[in-house]
Amino acid sequence: LAKTTQPISMDSYEGQEVNITCSHNNIATNDYITWYQQFPSQGPRFIIQGYKTKVTNEVASLFIPADRKSSTLSLPRVSLSDTAVYYCLVGYNTNAGKSTFGDGTTLTVKP
Amino acid sequence: NAGVTQTPKFQVLKTGQSMTLQCAQDMNHEYMSWYRQDPGMGLRLIHYSVGAGITDQGEVPNGYNVSRSTTEDFPLRLLSAAPSQTSVYFCASSYSKPGLTSYNEQFFGPGTRLTVL
Repeated sequence: LAKTTQPISMDSYEGQEVNITCSHNNIATNDYITWYQQFPSQGPRFIIQGYKTKVTNEVASLFIPADRKSSTLSLPRVSLSDTAVYYCLVGYNTNAGKSTFGDGTTLTVKP
Repeated sequence: NAGVTQTPKFQVLKTGQSMTLQCAQDMNHEYMSWYRQDPGMGLRLIHYSVGAGITDQGEVPNGYNVSRSTTEDFPLRLLSAAPSQTSVYFCASSYSKPGLTSYNEQFFGPGTRLTVL
């Protein structure tokens, strides 16, 4: 499984756009990039997944450059409720049951 | 659908005791996994299963056993509890579709907070 590197923590203010970058230099051809969000005392929750270029849903956008060695999760106009830990995972569907989460990025949104 | 359910929510054990953490899903997912999460850390994979009757070890399998007799259930057994196993345990399930549109979103349960004294 490809190893991922993320910043340990980030701070932001309400209403700002937040970008969290994940490095995955050893990503394989068939690997997908998936981001999860975890609130205290809860299990992680899927946010977005992509393979290349840009993916957007109602919650976030995911930007993946052509070489796919990194990816950026973009959260538009964050609110206090976006304070959470964000995890970047890389893997193929056959690894659906064996994802490596790493330590994630703790995002703190301030008023 | 109830999604992924875990019981109990909280458990306190004494060193050397054994117990089983229950996990069930009603989404007919092929894949199920057990993770542990220590304070301030990410999730580490204990065991996983790609279908009924098939299990395999993850990163930290020592001290734990699993079995998958049905698609719905994936219990985790602690054989002889140790203080190092104090953690929050999450069960997850997922499905996948073949091809370039494969999709491996995992659905997590609410967790079991285990303390071993």
